[in-house]
Amino acid sequence: EVQLVQSGAEVKKPGESLKISCQGSGYSFTTSWIGWVRQMPGKGLEWMGIIFPDDSDTIYSPSFQGQVTISADKSISTAYLQWSSLRASDTAMYYCARSPYRGAFAASCTFDNWGQGTLVAVSS
Amino acid sequence: QSALTQPPSASGSPGQSVTISCTGTSSDVGGYNYVSWYQQHPGKAPRLMIYEVTKRPSGVPDRFSGSKSGSTASLTVSGLQAEDEADYYCASYAGGHMGVFGTGTKVTVL
Repeated sequence: EVQLVQSGAEVKKPGESLKISCQGSGYSFTTSWIGWVRQMPGKGLEWMGIIFPDDSDTIYSPSFQGQVTISADKSISTAYLQWSSLRASDTAMYYCARSPYRGAFAASCTFDNWGQGTLVAVSS
Repeated sequence: QSALTQPPSASGSPGQSVTISCTGTSSDVGGYNYVSWYQQHPGKAPRLMIYEVTKRPSGVPDRFSGSKSGSTASLTVSGLQAEDEADYYCASYAGGHMGVFGTGTKVTVL
């Protein structure tokens, strides 16, 4: 069974750094793209970026380029999303999701398994 | 890339059909046959319902179907059931190996 397990909820202050994780199991972690999706409170889904864990090829949405860093450690089947300096506007639920495709075209919008979400709250 | 445009809400009575539109451009929906649809219940992670415009993952009822005409994709839910009440999002390949989601539609079963 494919599973993505995300790290727990975080409460942070503006300016702090943060790295959240997403561990995959039940499939070949290195040969499936992993995407990150933001959902701000009461709002819709936003595509942040995707990473191919085998070679760490990473594609960012222009809206998130330079604001976050997506990475992966294939030795422990884990993908990461990190911030160097959080803002209150980063308060949101963040989901990781797996694409069953190897090609980036289909992988960019086809996510068949999702993590449970990590709630990030940033407040002074 | 800009979010794909969906109507904020749609509704139908049990047993009826509801169709949700997802309008993009020739750079996303209109340019590729990579459109997906997701269902999200409150407090839950999204669930893939349709991929590659018309395909259903295993386990998704055949009451859910997808189509596309030009730069507008559509999701139709036939034989509405109470458990279909949820938010629905489309997603499309948007070029440059990036994806984009729609603005979301809240479906209410009357």
